[in-house]
Amino acid sequence: GEDVEQSLFLSVREGDSSVINCTYTDSSSTYLYWYKQEPGAGLQLLTYIFSNMDMKQDQRLTVLLNKKDKHLSLRIADTQTGDSAIYFCAANTGGFKTIFGAGTRLFVKA
Amino acid sequence: ETGVTQTPRHLVMGMTNKKSLKCEQHLGHNAMYWYKQSAKKPLELMFVYSLEERVENNSVPSRFSPECPNSSHLFLHLHTLQPEDSALYLCASSLAGGSRSISYNEQFFGPGTRLTVL
Repeated sequence: GEDVEQSLFLSVREGDSSVINCTYTDSSSTYLYWYKQEPGAGLQLLTYIFSNMDMKQDQRLTVLLNKKDKHLSLRIADTQTGDSAIYFCAANTGGFKTIFGAGTRLFVKA
Repeated sequence: ETGVTQTPRHLVMGMTNKKSLKCEQHLGHNAMYWYKQSAKKPLELMFVYSLEERVENNSVPSRFSPECPNSSHLFLHLHTLQPEDSALYLCASSLAGGSRSISYNEQFFGPGTRLTVL
């Protein structure tokens, strides 16, 4: 079945760019997502990309998809302390089952 | 109330207790999900209901029993749990295109119930 992997921690300075990487195994993944989880809260969808796209930009967020390598990345420009959270990569191959990675905890140092 | 709400937010129970978790969505969605989030494992999908019909059941022990009386409410009934069941239980909902087809299936999550089993 589908497996989604991502690094567990990332630390950046305020104002720098953050890049969170993710790999997935099922090449038939149709939608790939980035969710954000803040302390004491559920997950919130930040952005998603359809598998026939290479890039998607939304304000400070840039998603890059390398379908050949099954690699997804999320770039956060001008990272702020409010961006500190856990970021989950997720993949959907159709139907209701979305597979989530373990989450990358982003620390932003002032 | 807006979005997805879950009650209680925190629950401590003994292994012989019976309790229920409640989830309610106010988004007009037709699919609802239960996930388990623990320190040891990433988000684990437990159950999915679409149009009040269970469509996914991921080999979850029978001590967890879901119930979906209507498209806005989802329950998770708990009985004779084990300490390893201690986790954050998240509910989510989405708008599915039909019983099996989906659009991009954005899921909206509740804040979760932090469950501790003693």
